[in-house]
Amino acid sequence: AQSVSQHNHHVILSEAASLELGCNYSYGGTVNLFWYVQYPGQHLQLLLKYFSGDPLVKGIKGFEAEFIKSKFSFNLRKPSVQWSDTAEYFCAVNAINDMRFGAGTRLTVKP
Amino acid sequence: GAVVSQHPSWVICKSGTSVKIECRSLDFQATTMFWYRQFPKQSLMLMATSNEGSKATYEQGVEKDKFLINHASLTLSTLTVTSAHPEDSSFYICSGGSVDSSYNEQFFGPGTRLTVL
Repeated sequence: AQSVSQHNHHVILSEAASLELGCNYSYGGTVNLFWYVQYPGQHLQLLLKYFSGDPLVKGIKGFEAEFIKSKFSFNLRKPSVQWSDTAEYFCAVNAINDMRFGAGTRLTVKP
Repeated sequence: GAVVSQHPSWVICKSGTSVKIECRSLDFQATTMFWYRQFPKQSLMLMATSNEGSKATYEQGVEKDKFLINHASLTLSTLTVTSAHPEDSSFYICSGGSVDSSYNEQFFGPGTRLTVL
């Protein structure tokens, strides 16, 4: 089965700072890539997804992610974070109906 | 998007009892359903995959006799935690996938928090 690595366990930023969360996966075949967000006490919400086409994917709430196939990466970015972005972020990779999640990155945005 | 519900959303039980959690796909036929477990401040760990009408496939380390999964219809899967113990306390999340989805996407339920006393 494929594995997913999220390099940052806990990121602390001030409001208006730029965000980039790393995600790498190990699988040589075709994959579908996802970023989910989990706000405190809430369930998973899909931020964005990549299946094919333009490797730069735009999602909800101003988030975007770039798929770099040669690096097996799918990093999440946001130019200016808000206090309300404080949450846990999970990268997920789905290959042949087998979805695996990264360990998650906790983002804390200070007002 | 497709909607998946779970019931109950929160359950507290005594050690040694069994608990059943339901997962329903409300507006699509989930040919495959997945059960995940999430410990506090940790990621989702896949427990098992079930196809409608077939036995579930369990991930390594997951006791199939303890976590009974039934996927009797295209809209309902159940997870029964048998003889629950405090270490089974966790957040259980299901998701549904469909062969109709050309994008190999899963739709997640809101989760069920199990607390075993």
